[in-house]
Amino acid sequence: LAKTTQPISMDSYEGQEVNITCSHNNIATNDYITWYQQFPSQGPRFIIQGYKTKVTNEVASLFIPADRKSSTLSLPRVSLSDTAVYYCLVGEAASGNTGKLIFGQGTTLQVKP
Amino acid sequence: KAGVTQTPRYLIKTRGQQVTLSCSPISGHRSVSWYQQTPGQGLQFLFEYFSETQRNKGNFPGRFSGRQFSNSRSEMNVSTLELGDSALYLCASSERGSEYEQYFGPGTRLTVT
Repeated sequence: LAKTTQPISMDSYEGQEVNITCSHNNIATNDYITWYQQFPSQGPRFIIQGYKTKVTNEVASLFIPADRKSSTLSLPRVSLSDTAVYYCLVGEAASGNTGKLIFGQGTTLQVKP
Repeated sequence: KAGVTQTPRYLIKTRGQQVTLSCSPISGHRSVSWYQQTPGQGLQFLFEYFSETQRNKGNFPGRFSGRQFSNSRSEMNVSTLELGDSALYLCASSERGSEYEQYFGPGTRLTVT
């Protein structure tokens, strides 16, 4: 099973770019990398998903190097409302009935004014 | 579309009792996954159902079970409750499967006394 490792916490200031890196050394060929955001007392919210190279949407960018053993979530110009826990998730691709998901410990991002 | 709904939102049970939690996925989503979230263990995958079949299962004892109905609604049951079962139980639905984008409900807060 692909296990993920992320920093436990990070601090940033409003307007800065934040990069959160996740290690997943045992990622399998068919695995996707997904990031979720979670606010207190709420369920996680999907941010972005990628397989390789770079993916960008209106919220964030995801950078994945060629060996895919790590990935970096980039949040441009964070605001106070981006204070949350960010989870890196590597999903074993569904192949018959073998898919299973492992959430990492999550990174608590604190954005300061 | 309406989001994922979970009932009840809060529940207090006594050790030894059993409990049933309900989840209504987003319309058209055939995958429903269940997660347990605790401060100590974080987000842990319980199981996933896809078109009424259990597709994946996490490392939880047999006291934890679930099922999915033909309308994709899902229930999770925990028998012989233990104090350690106190947690936030999250349900997530997905159109294609849990390894892809999931939409989480607000969760059910279970307290076992």
